[in-house]
Amino acid sequence: EAGVAQSPRYKIIEKRQSVAFWCNPISGHATLYWYQQILGQGPKLLIQFQNNGVVDDSQLPKDRFSAERLKGVDSTLKIQPAKLEDSAVYLCASSYPGLITDTQYFGPGTRLTVL
Amino acid sequence: KQEVTQIPAALSVPEGENLVLNCSFTDSAIYNLQWFRQDPGKGLTSLLLIQSSQREQTSGRLNASLDKSSGRSTLYIAASQPGDSATYLCAVYTGANNLFFGTGTRLTVIP
Repeated sequence: EAGVAQSPRYKIIEKRQSVAFWCNPISGHATLYWYQQILGQGPKLLIQFQNNGVVDDSQLPKDRFSAERLKGVDSTLKIQPAKLEDSAVYLCASSYPGLITDTQYFGPGTRLTVL
Repeated sequence: KQEVTQIPAALSVPEGENLVLNCSFTDSAIYNLQWFRQDPGKGLTSLLLIQSSQREQTSGRLNASLDKSSGRSTLYIAASQPGDSATYLCAVYTGANNLFFGTGTRLTVIP
């Protein structure tokens, strides 16, 4: 079974630029999550999708971050404009069928550096 | 708000030693607790998941315990190996599929 795929793996941009990350979850997984992991901290949930609908985006900085999951499969996370404090690893995870006791499977992450 | 703390932040042990990693959480109203392993440049790999009704789970050389009432969990690694070197994260499941992560313990096993 293929795992969660993310691209790019690394991205370096200057502040105020825009950036987008892509995630392809495990086939058949209805629930998709985006996490932000700042160096030395644990991952923090940014947004959770169930199919193509948003379940929780309470910690997503909506003035600059946006995410979509068209067709309920792949997802993109965008930052516009980026700030220095956005430097982090952005992790995508998926689960099926998204039950409370279900395990989330994580992708390798995208390491973003904002200069 | 749920807060998860892990102690120590970093740990170095010689190969073959048994070790314990600690995790504490502030709100005992959890559905389960999960231990993850994170290797540099890679995502998280689930190691053990303990349901709130369980006291412990074992997988190979790993044993995780849960004391929900006191808000504590431990991960015991027996006969440590250099390949165990990684960051270990604990996370608690609250409602609505929310995973709250600790800050992790960076383990180095010295050959």
